[in-house]
Amino acid sequence: DAGVIQSPRHEVTEMGQEVTLRCKPISGHDYLFWYRQTMMRGLELLIYFNNNVPIDDSGMPEDRFSAKMPNASFSTLKIQPSEPRDSAVYFCASTATVLNTEAFFGQGTRLTVV
Amino acid sequence: DQQVKQNSPSLSVQEGRISILNCDYTNSMFDYFLWYKKYPAEGPTFLISISSIKDKNEDGRFTVFLNKSAKHLSLHIVPSQPGDSAVYFCAASDSNYQLIWGAGTKLIIKP
Repeated sequence: DAGVIQSPRHEVTEMGQEVTLRCKPISGHDYLFWYRQTMMRGLELLIYFNNNVPIDDSGMPEDRFSAKMPNASFSTLKIQPSEPRDSAVYFCASTATVLNTEAFFGQGTRLTVV
Repeated sequence: DQQVKQNSPSLSVQEGRISILNCDYTNSMFDYFLWYKKYPAEGPTFLISISSIKDKNEDGRFTVFLNKSAKHLSLHIVPSQPGDSAVYFCAASDSNYQLIWGAGTKLIIKP
């Protein structure tokens, strides 16, 4: 397995534009997590899915953020409209167990909103 | 309010010596703790973990110590190697199974 795959690796966009981040989890993993990493707040859990169903989205900062998982092999995190303070690295992770303890992370998407 | 704190943003250690990375937490309900290692432009990778029923877990050069009364855990790397240079994240989990992360400590191993 190629691991968790995220795209794009880098995204630069103008304030107000819609941004879509993509993730392909490891095959067979039932849990998928979206994290955001910033210098100020470290790694924050935004939302996680179990069997394609969103379980906890309490970490999603605002209504501008939305996430979907239409099938077991694909998830998106969308920001609309984007703002400069959304600039961060966004990680997707997947795990086979409910304990997202030994989660496998993608390489991340570095988002810059100018 | 940060429930998991890594108070040292960076740490510099001579190659071959011991690296000690510290982590403090405030929530007594945390029952599982992990360390992740992260290289630049890569996602975090799992390193070692410890359950709250233990006070020590060892895996090769890496040992994690847990002091529940002090709500403190530490990661010891001995001997330190240049490839250990990375950012180390401490994370804690409670019965809700969600990970709460520290801000990370950048470890620099000097040759």
